[in-house]
Amino acid sequence: DAGVIQSPRHEVTEMGQEVTLRCKPISGHNSLFWYRQTMMRGLELLIYFNNNVPIDDSGMPEDRFSAKMPNASFSTLKIQPSEPRDSAVYFCASSKRGLAGGETQYFGPGTRLLVL
Amino acid sequence: KQEVTQIPAALSVPEGENLVLNCSFTDSAIYNLQWFRQDPGKGLTSLLLIQSSQREQTSGRLNASLDKSSGRSTLYIAASQPGDSATYLCAVNNAGNMLTFGGGTRLMVKP
Repeated sequence: DAGVIQSPRHEVTEMGQEVTLRCKPISGHNSLFWYRQTMMRGLELLIYFNNNVPIDDSGMPEDRFSAKMPNASFSTLKIQPSEPRDSAVYFCASSKRGLAGGETQYFGPGTRLLVL
Repeated sequence: KQEVTQIPAALSVPEGENLVLNCSFTDSAIYNLQWFRQDPGKGLTSLLLIQSSQREQTSGRLNASLDKSSGRSTLYIAASQPGDSATYLCAVNNAGNMLTFGGGTRLMVKP
């Protein structure tokens, strides 16, 4: 298996531009997560999908952020308009959802976003 | 709200030493706890997952323990090697599949 695939790996953009990050989860996994990692705040969960449905988006920082999962093999995280404080590494992760509610999460390589 | 703390924040040891990384959490009502490794500029690799009903898990030179009632977990690394140098992250699963991460311990193993 190729693991979780994220694109682009690096993104440099100017303040005010729209940014779209993409994720392909591991085949057969029905849970998908978007995280953000910064030096100041560490790793934070932004949003969690189960069977393509958003379950919890309480970590999404503001209305400029939106996420979609149109099918089981693709998700996007969009920032519009982007701001310098959005600069971070954005990770996508996927897992199977077991009966106990918690299974190992597998992380993608991340997208390094720099907003100038 | 769950809070996860990792101590120490950084650790430097000579090769061959056995070492312990600590993780504490404030809400003991957890489903499981995961230890991850992160190399510089890379994603996270899952090392061990301990379900709430378990007390420990082992994988090679790694052993993770869980004391849910006291809100603590430790990651024991035996006979450390330079290749073990990385940041180790503890993550707690409280509700469904949502993880709360600690700040990590940056480990340097010197040859």
